[in-house]
Amino acid sequence: GESVGLHLPTLSVQEGDNSIINCAYSNSASDYFIWYKQESGKGPQFIIDIRSNMDKRQGQRVTVLLNKTVKHLSLQIAATQPGDSAVYFCAGVGPGAGSYQLTFGKGTKLSVIP
Amino acid sequence: DTEVTQTPKHLVMGMTNKKSLKCEQHMGHRAMYWYKQKAKKPPELMFVYSYEKLSINESVPSRFSPECPNSSLLNLHLHALQPEDSALYLCASSQRLAEHTQYFGPGTRLTVL
Repeated sequence: GESVGLHLPTLSVQEGDNSIINCAYSNSASDYFIWYKQESGKGPQFIIDIRSNMDKRQGQRVTVLLNKTVKHLSLQIAATQPGDSAVYFCAGVGPGAGSYQLTFGKGTKLSVIP
Repeated sequence: DTEVTQTPKHLVMGMTNKKSLKCEQHMGHRAMYWYKQKAKKPPELMFVYSYEKLSINESVPSRFSPECPNSSLLNLHLHALQPEDSALYLCASSQRLAEHTQYFGPGTRLTVL
C-alpha cells in the first residue's frame, strides 16, 4: 500500500513569516493529494488539494506544490498567523477514479510564535 | 451547511458498558466514514458507508458495530470495549464514495476505564 510521511514532526515560525510543511510519498499512483489542518480538540479540516497531473495549486494564503519526480509534496502558508497553529496532515487518495481511501501522513505540528 | 456534527463530545465508559456514538450531516452526502485517531497519530479508517450500505470494514473488532439508519445519520455502537480502544472517534462524509474530499466532524473523545 501507499505510504505517506512527513520530513519534520514539528515546525516553529514567527508570526508574519512564511511556513513550508513537507511531505514525502512512496506510491506515485495516487490521483489526488490533500492537506488537512487539525486544531487541538477538533477534527481535520480540508485546506487544499491537488490532482496528480498538476504541479502547483494556490488557495487563499496557501500553495501546494507537487514534485512527482522526487515524490514530494509541500504546503506553503504565506504570512503565518497564530490561528494557523495546528497539526497539518497530508493525505493521498487513490489510485483509481473510484477509490475513496485517504492514506494520511504522520503529521507536522506548526507552532506560530507571536 | 458544510458541517458534520458528532455527539457526545466526550464519553467515559466501563468495559462492560454499551454506548453509542452519533454522527449527522445535512449536506446530502451519500458516503460516510468512521475513523479512529490515537494521540499524535493520523486518523485510521474503520468503516465506510455508501448509500446507507456498509461498503468497507477495515478488519475492525466486532465490539464496534456501525449503523446507518438513513442518509444523514451514522452511528457507532460500542460494547465490551478495552482500555486500548480509548481514542478520538471521527466521523466524515463525502458527496459520493468516489469523491475524494471528506469533511470531518469534531470527534468524540472516548475513554474506556
